[in-house]
This record gives sequence, C-alpha cells and structure tokens, in this order.
Amino acid sequence: EAQVTQNPRYLITVTGKKLTVTCSQNMNHEYMSWYRQDPGLGLRQIYYSMNVEVTDKGDVPEGYKVSRKEKRNFPLILESPSPNQTSLYFCASSLLSGNTEAFFGQGTRLTVV
Amino acid sequence: SQQGEEDPQALSIQEGENATMNCSYKTSINNLQWYRQNSGRGLVHLILIRSNEREKHSGRLRVTLDTSKKSSSLLITASRAADTASYFCATDDNRLAFGKGNQVVVIPRGSYIPTFGRGTSLIVHP
Repeated sequence: EAQVTQNPRYLITVTGKKLTVTCSQNMNHEYMSWYRQDPGLGLRQIYYSMNVEVTDKGDVPEGYKVSRKEKRNFPLILESPSPNQTSLYFCASSLLSGNTEAFFGQGTRLTVV
Repeated sequence: SQQGEEDPQALSIQEGENATMNCSYKTSINNLQWYRQNSGRGLVHLILIRSNEREKHSGRLRVTLDTSKKSSSLLITASRAADTASYFCATDDNRLAFGKGNQVVVIPRGSYIPTFGRGTSLIVHP
C-alpha cells in the first residue's frame, strides 16, 4: 500500500532533549516536505527536499534540521526542542514538487514541556 | 510565506445543502490543489486544477479557477455529515504552500440546534 509513515504519532519531551521524528515513503517520490500545523495558522512549511541530498528551508525552519540521505526517508530533527515547537507535524511526499498530488503522513503530535 | 488564503474560514451548513469556499493566492501558478483534513489527521488530496483549466469536476466536487483574479472556489454539492472537515487550497510555487484552511461543519438532517438567548450574568456577593 502506498503510504507515508511518520513515527512517533505522539511524543511528550522536555526542553532541550534532542529528538528525531522519522518519515518514510514507499512510492519512490522525489519530493518530500515537513509542515507544522498550529491553530489559526494553517500549515506552515518547515523544510522541503526536491531530491536526495537536496534540502531547502521553508517558511519556519528555525530550530529544525533535516537530512535526505536516501530517497525514501526524510527525518526531522529538533536539536534542542523548546515549548514553542509544541505542534502537530506532518510529513508529505509527491512524485515531483508542487504539480502532483501530495501524500501526507498521519501526523506527529509533539509536546515540549 | 503562505500562498493561498481560504474564505470563509468557518462554515456551518445543513446536510443536503451546498458548501462553497474560496481561495485567493498571490503569485502566478501552474496548478492549484484542494485538500481535505479530518480533525487532527493528515491531509488528503481532493482535486488538482491546472492553470489552463477553468473548471473541473470530481463526483460532488466542483472546482473553478480564475487566474485573472488569482482565485479558486471549491463547491461541495449535496453535503453529507461526513464532509465535515477542514479544506485547504495549495499552490505549486515550486514547493507546495498551503493556506490556513476552511473549517466546514455539516449538520446532520433533523439535528436539533438549540437557539440561545443573550444570557444572564449572575454575580453573587460574599
């Protein structure tokens, strides 16, 4: 089944403790992206990747890192999480960038205390 | 920056009615997409309309695109309670950029919707 898998689905952590949210897709998509969703602000893009080893900042990249060492995986890294990074995170992938259907993961609800 | 802006932000309708929502964007596009999100879940693609298309249909969905006004509309006909969700437009802009979304609530037919008065403030002095 074609899908985008994020892990974990829920995470509560403490300020400053490094964490990684994984994202994997099995559709051989070139384009992958991370978004955060906050009430009243919609989806804001954090980072995106057009292909392996190619990553670019989105609208709200501060406090996040990503890597794209292989096509299927696009982990989101929070080196030193802070409470303002409490949010609902979504990973998405598509065959190409914006002109094809994007597939979304189920989301990761992160709480930083 | 976010490209699409949906309007209205919230919409409540009775089952069976049509729901129309609009999206405006700022820059030139190659295509525009509409997505749906059930509460707290990932977005699901509904329909893609290319810049050289003016209207597109998919089941009960009808999407229009007016590139001269930089706007698109999504019409859901004969709404069902299961259509209750948030709806987002997204433009390509070399990376998929979303608006803030329209929240649509479809009230099942026959539901009792209470009508409230203005309320009374009660102050109890010690």
